[in-house]
Amino acid sequence: GEDVEQSLFLSVREGDSSVINCTYTDSSSTYLYWYKQEPGAGLQLLTYIFSNMDMKQDQRLTVLLNKKDKHLSLRIADTQTGDSAIYFCAEQSNFGNEKLTFGTGTRLTIIP
Amino acid sequence: NAGVTQTPKFRILKIGQSMTLQCTQDMNHNYMYWYRQDPGMGLKLIYYSVGAGITDKGEVPNGYNVSRSTTEDFPLRLELAAPSQTSVYFCASSAGFEQYFGPGTRLTVT
Repeated sequence: GEDVEQSLFLSVREGDSSVINCTYTDSSSTYLYWYKQEPGAGLQLLTYIFSNMDMKQDQRLTVLLNKKDKHLSLRIADTQTGDSAIYFCAEQSNFGNEKLTFGTGTRLTIIP
Repeated sequence: NAGVTQTPKFRILKIGQSMTLQCTQDMNHNYMYWYRQDPGMGLKLIYYSVGAGITDKGEVPNGYNVSRSTTEDFPLRLELAAPSQTSVYFCASSAGFEQYFGPGTRLTVT
């Protein structure tokens, strides 16, 4: 079945850029997503990219997709304390029932 | 809109007890999902539904049951609770793209 992998932890100094990486195995992925989970809350969609795109930028967020290597990254510019959260990569390959396969999540910690 | 609501927020069960986790959405979404989140394991899909009257198994359905009698409600039933079911449970709904998540139910089975 599909598999999505991420590192569990990342620490970044406030003001620096954060880069969270994700690899996936399903070559038929149509959409790839980044969800954010703040403490004690559910997940919220942060951004997404279609599989026919290489890059997407949205304010401080940049998503890069390397389809050949099945590698997705999320870059957060000028990281702030409010960016502390767990970030989940997810892929969707079976359009029609909207099922997502999630990675393990990366806990981003901001160092003041 | 309240979005996706889940009750209860917390629950402690003894081994062998039963309970129902409630999930309701007011966005008229056809798709609904139940996930469990274990530490360091990400979210695993338990069951999902593509519309009222239709349910299907996800990745980890054993020990759970669901029903979808209305568009709004998607309850998750645990019949014989086991310690392995200690987890945080999230319900989500979707109209076909973004999934909207509830705040979660933290369940402990002892």
